[in-house]
Amino acid sequence: GQQLNQSPQSMFIQEGEDVSMNCTSSSIFNTWLWYKQDPGEGPVLLIALYKAGELTSNGRLTAQFGITRKDSFLNISASIPSDVGIYFCAGPPLNRDDKIIFGKGTRLHILP
Amino acid sequence: DGGITQSPKYLFRKEGQNVTLSCEQNLNHDAMYWYRQDPGQGLRLIYYSQIVNDFQKGDIAEGYSVSREKKESFPLTVTSAQKNPTAFYLCASSFRRKGTQYFGPGTRLTVL
Repeated sequence: GQQLNQSPQSMFIQEGEDVSMNCTSSSIFNTWLWYKQDPGEGPVLLIALYKAGELTSNGRLTAQFGITRKDSFLNISASIPSDVGIYFCAGPPLNRDDKIIFGKGTRLHILP
Repeated sequence: DGGITQSPKYLFRKEGQNVTLSCEQNLNHDAMYWYRQDPGQGLRLIYYSQIVNDFQKGDIAEGYSVSREKKESFPLTVTSAQKNPTAFYLCASSFRRKGTQYFGPGTRLTVL
């Protein structure tokens, strides 16, 4: 079945640095979703992308829907301590609109 | 205030006991989902329901059961047949045939 591969698995950065992570698939997605999960909480939707090439921002976060429709990128500018958490990409499999699949997540750590 | 509620936040049970986790939403969403998350892992789909009185097995349904008698509610029962029930359980909901899911705060189940 379709899978989403996220990289990197984890990141250790200094406060103030920019962050970039991506999500790839061997098959096409028509929607890309980016979620953030704080420790012990449920994931929160950050950005939803619906069109190939689309670039959408939400504050310091920017996400892009890849032109090939097989990848998506999430960038965080000027990281702050509350950015710590797990970032998941997700999307509905092709020809399935009754569920979505998730990547395994990128865990972001910010060094003091 | 619209949202998804899960209760309780923390739940402890003895081995061999069934336990039911609550999930309620007032977003008027048609579809509801249950996921399991283990430490350092992604989300795995247990069961989902697109409409009242109908539900489908996800990827790891064995040892779990659900019901969908009301649009707003989708309780999950973790039965004694589930071999490794200790985990973080997340409920989500969405409009039918729309990919974007919204999550509750989660219930951490510990079986002693």
